[in-house]
Amino acid sequence: DTEVTQTPKHLVMGMTNKKSLKCEQHMGHRAMYWYKQKAKKPPELMFVYSYEKLSINESVPSRFSPECPNSSLLNLHLHALQPEDSALYLCASSQVTDFSSYEQYFGPGTRLTVT
Amino acid sequence: GDSVTQMEGPVTLSEEAFLTINCTYTATGYPSLFWYVQYPGEGLQLLLKATKADDKGSNKGFEATYRKETTSFHLEKGSVQVSDSAVYFCALSGPNQGAQKLVFGQGTRLTINP
Repeated sequence: DTEVTQTPKHLVMGMTNKKSLKCEQHMGHRAMYWYKQKAKKPPELMFVYSYEKLSINESVPSRFSPECPNSSLLNLHLHALQPEDSALYLCASSQVTDFSSYEQYFGPGTRLTVT
Repeated sequence: GDSVTQMEGPVTLSEEAFLTINCTYTATGYPSLFWYVQYPGEGLQLLLKATKADDKGSNKGFEATYRKETTSFHLEKGSVQVSDSAVYFCALSGPNQGAQKLVFGQGTRLTINP
């Protein structure tokens, strides 16, 4: 099974709402990622978790709060977002190896619209 | 820092045409190279990869060869189908980025007409 699942598929939220995006994988991967993708652009890395610990935060605003409850789950908590945060949010996972080849497996994404 | 440059799109071809999407990279050391494909409304799927010089990655009729001398990883397919219409991203990961960072090119939108 090489599937990464994400829920919800679509989300519309107001600027004062609090919502969460969820991601799950059962490939035994110990690295999980959040990306943001704007239209016609490549994905931009937001956060990386390695062995359930936050290892990379790409200077993401605090209105985005990641959480990794266990090795299979990754959440992204959203609060007080701005309209410019509207985008496709992608989750990915991979094995963790030191400077060796690896590939990331991506979920289908959550299309977020902030009104 | 490391970077990836892809040919600008969009690219439009007729069915059964030959496809080349150029990708060049700048990196120190020996990065791993990837092609990802994104179909409309979906996430990214790994298409193929190569981890060392002269490696050839292949999948679903697509091929790319890791050329260190020209720092290139061009994507090719001998006969494209309408179902190949998608956005293609070239990417690298390497020691300079850490084992968990992918550097993406800007993407090339491919449209195949019947």
